[in-house]
Amino acid sequence: DTGVSQNPRHKITKRGQNVTFRCDPISEHNRLYWYRQTLGQGPEFLTYFQNEAQLEKSRLLSDRFSAERPKGSFSTLEIQRTEQGDSAMYLCASSYYTGELFFGEGSRLTVL
Amino acid sequence: AQTVTQSQPEMSVQEAETVTLSCTYDTSESDYYLFWYKQPPSRQMILVIRQEAYKQQNATENRFSVNFQKAAKSFSLKISDSQLGDAAMYFCAYRLIIQGAQKLVFGQGTRLTINP
Repeated sequence: DTGVSQNPRHKITKRGQNVTFRCDPISEHNRLYWYRQTLGQGPEFLTYFQNEAQLEKSRLLSDRFSAERPKGSFSTLEIQRTEQGDSAMYLCASSYYTGELFFGEGSRLTVL
Repeated sequence: AQTVTQSQPEMSVQEAETVTLSCTYDTSESDYYLFWYKQPPSRQMILVIRQEAYKQQNATENRFSVNFQKAAKSFSLKISDSQLGDAAMYFCAYRLIIQGAQKLVFGQGTRLTINP
């Protein structure tokens, strides 16, 4: 499978714990995106990488959120001190420049 | 700010029939892209169809077609000969290009059910 891969698919954690999600984009794609999707809503843009540089961050991304893309390959999204409001599906997508965006299956976070 | 509105939270259609999903958007730009994405349960979101605003001709992809009304800022999706595999959440999206990033603004989605 050469699509966008996300792990873990589902994470259940207690409030206050840290969680990390990983995204492996399509190999030749130089742009990587994170979106958040809450129940019954469309995805909302969180952040964007061009190669290893994080160039855009949404106001939705509080200080507890950090994303990295070392060496311009896979990306991680870490949420520190999780809150119940962080419960959502976290979607990763990649593209080659401004070409078609390909999405992963998402990582669902449940904060108890 | 750009916004996208899907006013139909749920729609249902009989298998083999035609259904139209509605979408309106707001923008001050003259050149932009619009998309319809399909999100099956527990599966990744996939692109169904795209429309470039400068093209007057409505986009078509097999059984999927759009009715793009630029002046009215309306972008509806028509699915002909509905199949059971079409059951999914459908999202309308508007694309912004900011600092090289393509940011998609999504609507709230329409859940489509296909009745056998």
